[in-house]
Amino acid sequence: GAVVSQHPSRVICKSGTSVKIECRSLDFQATTMFWYRQFPKKSLMLMATSNEGSKATYEQGVEKDKFLINHASLTLSTLTVTSAHPEDSSFYICSGGGAAYQETQYFGPGTRLLVL
Amino acid sequence: QKEVEQNSGPLSVPEGAIASLNCTYSDRGSQSFFWYRQYSGKSPELIMSIYSNGDKEDGRFTAQLNKASQYVSLLIRDSQPSDSATYLCVVRGSARQLTFGSGTQLTVLP
Repeated sequence: GAVVSQHPSRVICKSGTSVKIECRSLDFQATTMFWYRQFPKKSLMLMATSNEGSKATYEQGVEKDKFLINHASLTLSTLTVTSAHPEDSSFYICSGGGAAYQETQYFGPGTRLLVL
Repeated sequence: QKEVEQNSGPLSVPEGAIASLNCTYSDRGSQSFFWYRQYSGKSPELIMSIYSNGDKEDGRFTAQLNKASQYVSLLIRDSQPSDSATYLCVVRGSARQLTFGSGTQLTVLP
């Protein structure tokens, strides 16, 4: 299967700082990438859909000014959590793939964010 | 609101038994169906995909799809303790959106 990497795998930061998470498709071109958040013992929650070269589409309830998404190339999408607060502490996972019916989504290994 | 429903479990089966995981979906126009496995603290990994009615087998895994009943299932034969994980049913709907079920926690007892 295809490979998606994320960096960093784990980050601890102080409240009020910004954190950037990178998601890369290593062996395929991802026209679309998805960003998810997962709280302990809960299911994945889609935060936003990012399309290469255009603005991201955010799910209801997700603040686009707080979670900045950039998808500048077919192999890289970034999520920046701005002015992070303890309630932003979560497991952030990206996935890459296309929106065609039979294109599978491949998930990155996830980034665990802890905001102190 | 397009929904994907799964029993949350936990589902416990003895080692060597067949584990049966079920999923129903509301979007009748859905075309693609996926089962992912997620170990605690890890991201999901693809187990099976299925697009047509009927069964699809891959090793110990069999996915079953019935579009008329809007039902998809995953059977795991000869279950192993290493199969203990949360299994996510994911459906690509008519608007190409992905909808995740809440997951079924499976425990295979040695």
